[in-house]
Amino acid sequence: DGGITQSPKYLFRKEGQNVTLSCEQNLNHDAMYWYRQDPGQGLRLIYYSQIVNDFQKGDIAEGYSVSREKKESFPLTVTSAQKNPTAFYLCASSPKRRMTSTDTQYFGPGTRLTVL
Amino acid sequence: GQQLNQSPQSMFIQEGEDVSMNCTSSSIFNTWLWYKQDPGEGPVLLIALYKAGELTSNGRLTAQFGITRKDSFLNISASIPSDVGIYFCAGHRSGGGADGLTFGKGTHLIIQP
Repeated sequence: DGGITQSPKYLFRKEGQNVTLSCEQNLNHDAMYWYRQDPGQGLRLIYYSQIVNDFQKGDIAEGYSVSREKKESFPLTVTSAQKNPTAFYLCASSPKRRMTSTDTQYFGPGTRLTVL
Repeated sequence: GQQLNQSPQSMFIQEGEDVSMNCTSSSIFNTWLWYKQDPGEGPVLLIALYKAGELTSNGRLTAQFGITRKDSFLNISASIPSDVGIYFCAGHRSGGGADGLTFGKGTHLIIQP
């Protein structure tokens, strides 16, 4: 089946530890995105990547880092510098490098991170 | 980053009723998307709108891209229990800033038996 997978579904970490969230897609999409969702809020963009070995900061990039070494993978690291890391993290992808007026974004199932 | 103004925040309706929700923005968008999210899951795309004035249907769902490109609405006709969830609008502006979507805060749809 083609799609976007995120693992794990639930993740618990102690305060001060870095943690890496996985996102893989087999849709052959060029662009990948990371969003954060807090209760009662919409999604906010953390980072995005339009092509391998390139990525850009979104609206709330502080305390996060990403890499894009392979087209199908876009892992997100939540660092100890992120002041409020507990949230639901969603990965998305879209077919083209730059979202055009005829593109859409498709989402993975999400990872719920809880920092204790 | 800007968020879209989505309303209502929540809706309590009876099964079989029609539903209407909308999003507005002070900025122009070139694409409007409507997603549905179930608890603990990722959003699922319902309808995509690409042209001002466009009216698109997907089964019992109908959405329109406002003429001014600053708003969009979603209607659900004859609601059923599986329509329960959170509905998000999202807009995309080509050519400037981050290339991700801007989201509304969601409309929580609750269907009473």
